[in-house]
Amino acid sequence: DIQLTQSPSFLSASVGDRVTITCRASQGISSYLAWYQQKPGKAPKLLIYAASTLQSGVPSRFSGSGSGTEFTLTISSLQPEDFATYYCQQLNSYPRALTFGGGTKVEIK
Amino acid sequence: QVQLVESGGGVVQPGGSLRLSCAASGFTFSSYGMHWVRQAPGKGLEWVAFIRYDGSNKYYADSVKGRFTISRDNSKNTLYLQMNSLRAEDTAVYYCAKDFIAVAGTVDYWGQGTLVTVSS
Repeated sequence: DIQLTQSPSFLSASVGDRVTITCRASQGISSYLAWYQQKPGKAPKLLIYAASTLQSGVPSRFSGSGSGTEFTLTISSLQPEDFATYYCQQLNSYPRALTFGGGTKVEIK
Repeated sequence: QVQLVESGGGVVQPGGSLRLSCAASGFTFSSYGMHWVRQAPGKGLEWVAFIRYDGSNKYYADSVKGRFTISRDNSKNTLYLQMNSLRAEDTAVYYCAKDFIAVAGTVDYWGQGTLVTVSS
């Protein structure tokens, strides 16, 4: 199975900061990657699909990039509502073994 | 709007069984593949199973293969997860999730989740 490694696993940042989260795949997955945001006690929310396409309704301060084995999620100016845990997910194995990364928790500095 | 409402969670003893249901509304259920994804307490997300729009094919994570069965009733707009031979490590919130037709495998809508606790 394809493994996804997110870094960092924990990030402390201030409102207005630029934040970058990395997701590395154990083998090439082209652009078959999605990013989700999850707040405590809530279901995840789709932010980015196909590595770089912003889901409808998601603020433009979120962006995704990368292909192959290395991907990034960037928040250009962190807002109070962005403090959450972020997960990447690979779809290259679809419909089998749709693995998620271990998550990156973004907390207030 | 799309709604996914899970039910059927609860406390069950190791070795026991439970059936989860997910009532779907706000979209043409019979046109979309559906997933179950789980999250153990304080842990990350784990994909569990996927079923194609017509129920013709089903896929499972290795951790549940042979013990869990995903199914659907398109006439009732309902997704199911039959869980047998439950283990302590199956304790988690189970989410019903809709496949994103634009990029298959991506989830564009999630239910609120139902908690399954496996404990004696």
